[in-house]
Amino acid sequence: DIQMTQSPSTLSASVGDRVTIACRASESISNWLAWFQQKPGSAPKLLVFKAISLESGVPSRFSGSGSGTAFTLTISSLQPDDFATYYCQQYYRYPYTFGQGTKLEIK
Amino acid sequence: QVQLLQSGAEVQKPGASVKVSCKASGYTFTRYDINWVRQATGQGLEWMGWISPSRGSRGYAQKFQGRLIATSDTSIDTAYMELSSLRSEDTAVYYCVRGGDMNYWGQGTLVTVSS
Repeated sequence: DIQMTQSPSTLSASVGDRVTIACRASESISNWLAWFQQKPGSAPKLLVFKAISLESGVPSRFSGSGSGTAFTLTISSLQPDDFATYYCQQYYRYPYTFGQGTKLEIK
Repeated sequence: QVQLLQSGAEVQKPGASVKVSCKASGYTFTRYDINWVRQATGQGLEWMGWISPSRGSRGYAQKFQGRLIATSDTSIDTAYMELSSLRSEDTAVYYCVRGGDMNYWGQGTLVTVSS
């Protein structure tokens, strides 16, 4: 199975900050990577697909980059609504696998 | 609009089985695979398996082989996930999710396994 490793596990930041979350795959997954945001009590929401494509309706302050084994999700200027948990996920090969999550907290 | 409406919460005893349904609307059901993902309380997301409603093909994560059955009924645009030999560690919210891009999620079904 392809292992997905996110860092950091927890990130403390302030409104207006620029933040980056990293995700590494144990082998190349080309660009078959998605990023999700999840808030307590809700289903995850797709933010980015195919590593760099922003899902419709997602604010442009979110961006994804990378290919192969190294990927990042960047939020250019944190807003209060962005404090949540973020997951990366590969869909290059079954079984699909998720990173362990990054909890973005208010500093 | 695309919706995936899941069946309600379940409480089951250890050793029993549970079957969760996922009713799709707002798109052509046979055009997209359905994935099943679960999340234990306070834990991360775990992909369980998939089914292609158009072809009937399916696949499962190794840890669920022999316990998980994914099915679909194209006459009513509904996918099902049945998990057997339940144990306490199976207590989780179970989600159905559309397609490889996973851009539409059901609301989740809480399955509690308790004696």
